[in-house]
Amino acid sequence: DIQMTQSPSSLSASVGDRVTITCRASQSVTNYLNWYQQKPGKAPNLLIYAASTLQSGVPSRFSGSGSGTDFTLTISSLQPEDFATYYCQQSYSTPYIFGQGTKLEIK
Amino acid sequence: EVQLVESGGGLVQPGRSLRLSCTASGFSFGDYAMNWFRQAPGKGLEWVGFIRSQAYGGTTEYAASVKGRFTVSRDDSKSFAYLQMNSLKTEDTAVYYCSRDRGEYDAFDIWGQGTVVTVSS
Repeated sequence: DIQMTQSPSSLSASVGDRVTITCRASQSVTNYLNWYQQKPGKAPNLLIYAASTLQSGVPSRFSGSGSGTDFTLTISSLQPEDFATYYCQQSYSTPYIFGQGTKLEIK
Repeated sequence: EVQLVESGGGLVQPGRSLRLSCTASGFSFGDYAMNWFRQAPGKGLEWVGFIRSQAYGGTTEYAASVKGRFTVSRDDSKSFAYLQMNSLKTEDTAVYYCSRDRGEYDAFDIWGQGTVVTVSS
């Protein structure tokens, strides 16, 4: 199985900050890497697929990059509604493993 | 409106069975693979299994933790996906979500609101 490791596990930031979350795969997933946002009590919401393609309706302050084993999710200017937990997920092969999540909190 | 709605969750004793349903609306259900995920209390997301569209044989795959106990099925005529859960264990306690695979890159773009399954004696 391909394991996914996110860092950091938690992060405190302020509105307007630029934030970067990292995801590392245990072996190459080429660009089969997706990012989700989840708010408490809600289902996940797809932000980025294919490592860098913005899902329709997602604000352009979100961006993704990387290929192979190392990926990043960047939020260019944090908004109040962005405080949530973020997960990466590899879709290169089953089982579709998620990272452990990064909880983004207000500083 | 494109949406998925799960139902069928509840409290069940260890060793018993439960069937979850996922009804779809607003899109051509039969064209998409459908997945099930779960999230134990306070934990991260876990993929449970999926069923491909009939165009790709309607075949299924499962996580090792549920293989042999859980079965995903679909009824395209009714726009329903199902998760049959047998021999339930306390560690199966979670919120269960169904989700649509958008097709390319196997990203999951539409999710239901989730249904809670509690396995306890």
